[in-house]
Amino acid sequence: NAGVMQNPRHLVRRRGQEARLRCSPMKGHSHVYWYRQLPEEGLKFMVYLQKENIIDESGMPKERFSAEFPKEGPSILRIQQVVRGDSAAYFCASSPSGEWGYFGPGTRLLVL
Amino acid sequence: GEDVEQSLFLSVREGDSSVINCTYTDSSSTYLYWYKQEPGAGLQLLTYIFSNMDMKQDQRLTVLLNKKDKHLSLRIADTQTGDSAIYFCAERGNTDKLIFGTGTRLQVFP
Repeated sequence: NAGVMQNPRHLVRRRGQEARLRCSPMKGHSHVYWYRQLPEEGLKFMVYLQKENIIDESGMPKERFSAEFPKEGPSILRIQQVVRGDSAAYFCASSPSGEWGYFGPGTRLLVL
Repeated sequence: GEDVEQSLFLSVREGDSSVINCTYTDSSSTYLYWYKQEPGAGLQLLTYIFSNMDMKQDQRLTVLLNKKDKHLSLRIADTQTGDSAIYFCAERGNTDKLIFGTGTRLQVFP
């Protein structure tokens, strides 16, 4: 059983471009969580999804950020019109039922 | 609101014990977790404890929970250089999301 997969591992974007981060949960896991880690800081919750549903998006910035977890395929975190402050490591975690806690290796986004 | 605090740095000699402390504010916490993050890597779940327990031991790791004081600690016995990393505590309340501390950077020197 492969662990949580995230790709790309590293992503470089120029200001104003779009970033799409993908997370494939562990097999059998229907709960996905996205976290952001700014340099030298802890992880901040962004969004919690189950298949086709957003359960809690209280940590998502109100603009430019969106997340989905379709019936088929990976969960996607999408950042439109990226700014330098979006540079961070974005981690995805999955669980079978809301228990914890399997994190992916993260996507490190750098905005130039 | 929910808040989790940790000291930022800990330095220990190889072979000694390390104790990393964490305090939290959410009295409805159901689980408390310890994660390890090595440079450039993701988070590795080390151990967790249910809120109705006060101690859990797993090989070199001992977790102590004082629910009254909302204090959690992680003791690493016989600390090795490979234990050098950032350690995060996290608490899970009723909302199914984890609230993380800022992390404690453990440095082990020979």
